[in-house]
Amino acid sequence: GENVEQHPSTLSVQEGDSAVIKCTYSDSASNYFPWYKQELGKRPQLIIDIRSNVGEKKDQRIAVTLNKTAKHFSLHITETQPEDSAVYFCAAGGNNRLAFGKGNQVVVIP
Amino acid sequence: DADVTQTPRNRITKTGKRIMLECSQTKGHDRMYWYRQDPGLGLRLIYYSFDVKDINKGEISDGYSVSRQAQAKFSLSLESAIPNQTALYFCATSALGTAEAFFGQGTRLTVV
Repeated sequence: GENVEQHPSTLSVQEGDSAVIKCTYSDSASNYFPWYKQELGKRPQLIIDIRSNVGEKKDQRIAVTLNKTAKHFSLHITETQPEDSAVYFCAAGGNNRLAFGKGNQVVVIP
Repeated sequence: DADVTQTPRNRITKTGKRIMLECSQTKGHDRMYWYRQDPGLGLRLIYYSFDVKDINKGEISDGYSVSRQAQAKFSLSLESAIPNQTALYFCATSALGTAEAFFGQGTRLTVV
């Protein structure tokens, strides 16, 4: 089955700086790559996703890039703010099920 | 708003007891999932179901069972709870043809 690796496990950034989280996946058949944000004590919620026919997607301060050849995708957060502090999960899969990474704790330092 | 609802939100139970976690959804989605979240281990899939007559094992199904009583309901049972099943459990749904998962609020289970 699909195996998703996520690095780094913890990331601290100064407010206003950029944060980048990288994930790798193993199954070349995966064609859907979402990112979820989980704030403390809350449920994971989708923040952005990308499909395999697209290399990059942006939504305001967040963007996701996908390199299918290398089987990796990354989340980019620009101009970080304290409310960006959370755990971020990447996932990979098809239309049936997703495999999740172990999560990254992002801490934005005011 | 259409949502995914889990009950109970918190539960403490004793080793050896049977416990059921329930999930209901008003999103009209066909597909339902149970995940377990442990610190440092992310979200791991326990069981999933694509319709009322369909049950599939995930990566960590041992010690768990599920029942899909209706399109909107998917329950997770621990037949004989053990302390290493202490975790945060999430139910999720997705629509046919998409993989975007919508999560419930979670159930924090403690087995003592």
